[in-house]
Parts: sequence; C-alpha cells; structure tokens
Amino acid sequence: EAGVAQSPRYKIIEKRQSVAFWCNPISGHATLYWYQQILGQGPKLLIQFQNNGVVDDSQLPKDRFSAERLKGVDSTLKIQPAKLEDSAVYLCASSLVAQGEQYFGPGTRLTVT
Amino acid sequence: DAKTTQPPSMDCAEGRAANLPCNHSTISGNEYVYWYRQIHSQGPQYIIHGLKNNETNEMASLIITEDRKSSTLILPHATLRDTAVYYCIVRDRDDKIIFGKGTRLHILP
Repeated sequence: EAGVAQSPRYKIIEKRQSVAFWCNPISGHATLYWYQQILGQGPKLLIQFQNNGVVDDSQLPKDRFSAERLKGVDSTLKIQPAKLEDSAVYLCASSLVAQGEQYFGPGTRLTVT
Repeated sequence: DAKTTQPPSMDCAEGRAANLPCNHSTISGNEYVYWYRQIHSQGPQYIIHGLKNNETNEMASLIITEDRKSSTLILPHATLRDTAVYYCIVRDRDDKIIFGKGTRLHILP
C-alpha cells in the first residue's frame, strides 16, 4: 500500500514570496490533515478536511495560508506572502475515518530567508 | 495545550527494554492514550493506543495504571532504529491530536 506522498521535499524562498505544497493521501482515506512543525516542537494541526469539506481550520493563519481539497483526494497548502516565522516542516497526514489512526507523509521542509 | 508530561530525553541500551513514561493526571473517562513516534526527517508514525486495559501489538506494549493517571510505553527489545521522538497524547476519539514536545529516545549501541 502506497503511503502519503508530499512534494516538494524541500523549498527555499525569500520572505514575501508565495509557495505551495502538494499532498496525495492514502487511497480511500476520507480525512486529510495539514500540520506545521517548527524545529524542536511537536506538529501543530493547521487544517483538517473530511472529503472536500473543511472540518477544522481554527489554527490556520487565514490572512496568509490557504488550503484546498477540491475533488476530495489530493490537497494543496499555500502560503502567500511568506514570513520568516513560517520556516518549518509541513506535514500531511490522512486517516480512513475522521480522527482515526493517522498516517503521515515525509513532510516538506520550508526555509524562508 | 498538550495534556501530558513526558521526560525530554532518555537513553536505553540496544537489546534492552525501553520504558517510556507519560503522566496524564487530568485524563477524563472517555479519553484514550495514544503513542506516536517520529524518526529523524520523517513524519510521525502511529504506535499504539488504549483506554484502560493494557494493550500489545507488534511494535510495543502500553501499560496504563489503574487510576489512568499515567502510562508506560514499552519497546521490548530496543534497536538502533527505535531512536526517535516519542509522543504521548491524550484525546477523546472525536478530538484532534495535540502533540507536545515528546521524549527523545536514544538507543545506545
């Protein structure tokens, strides 16, 4: 069974630029999550999708972050414009059912200079 | 905020059992104890979870005290590949996961 795929694995941008991350969850998993992990801390949930609907985006900085899952399968997370404090690893996870065991992708390491 | 307290780091000799403690003194009756681990440069990996009974799977055992205020994750025969950050999480089945800082486990050859 293929795992959660993410791309790119690494990205370096300057502040005020925009960036997008892509995630393809495990086939058949209805729930998709995006997490932000700052160095030395545990992952923090940014947004949760159930199929193509948003379940929880309470910790998503909506002035600069956006995410979509248009067809209920893969998803993109965008940051526009980026700030220095957005430097982190962005993790995508999926689960078969809402709040079930989550399977994580390898993450995208973003560096904002 | 995370509802658990874990030591920031631990060492364990290769081949020995690694016992990782977790305190969750404010756990409520419908909250489960979950364990995930994160190997360097990878995403977190689910290990095990339990409500009040002890649980065992192919990766680990979870021992929960009778009052449910603490638990221990046991890796029976630790290998170098078990070096990782281990997260203990308390949550209701319908709640989101809140990760703390976890325990950094070093397996010593």
